[in-house]
Amino acid sequence: DTAVSQTPKYLVTQMGNDKSIKCEQNLGHDTMYWYKQDSKKFLKIMFSYNNKELIINETVPNRFSPKSPDKAHLNLHINSLELGDSAVYFCASSPRRGGRGYTFGSGTRLTVV
Amino acid sequence: GENVEQHPSTLSVQEGDSAVIKCTYSDSASNYFPWYKQELGKGPQLIIDIRSNVGEKKDQRIAVTLNKTAKHFSLHITETQPEDSAVYFCAAYNNAGNMLTFGGGTRLMVKP
Repeated sequence: DTAVSQTPKYLVTQMGNDKSIKCEQNLGHDTMYWYKQDSKKFLKIMFSYNNKELIINETVPNRFSPKSPDKAHLNLHINSLELGDSAVYFCASSPRRGGRGYTFGSGTRLTVV
Repeated sequence: GENVEQHPSTLSVQEGDSAVIKCTYSDSASNYFPWYKQELGKGPQLIIDIRSNVGEKKDQRIAVTLNKTAKHFSLHITETQPEDSAVYFCAAYNNAGNMLTFGGGTRLMVKP
């Protein structure tokens, strides 16, 4: 049973389109995150979402919006996709606080053409 | 905010040799330091971690050391094997932000 699952695994789309990536965790964790991994493998936090509190990273363009229907799900919507949005996006979750138990999904490779 | 630097960015070793990856962090409030291994096409997986009240931790062929005064921590892999080849990330966590800040990653290649 996958702990943190993301769909789709691959997403190829044209510039200007709007797309969503879904994430679900079955670990009972309180906090979920989205990370972006660029071509140089650098992992950068985009958002964290804890019990309806959204912490926005100010370097993320407002074309990106996370949506959490419940504690086990955190989806990422991206509007007006640009070439520079091409990357691998990872969802992660963690227990309330403490850092331990941070678990990543397997990633979604987004390619904007 | 926290800043984590990781060196080297690439590391090539012969099978059986040891590998050492080093990280520094900036926020003295950080209190938890995990290491992740990322294989091709997969998400990062936790391999070992250490809390700030401990100086060293070992799990079979991998060990982590922490120097809280100098704000350094390191990953040591002994008797490397080809399956150790992957990208390794260090990270630092503090309660204030409730999130991990990652280093830039190290691509480890173990040559048979």
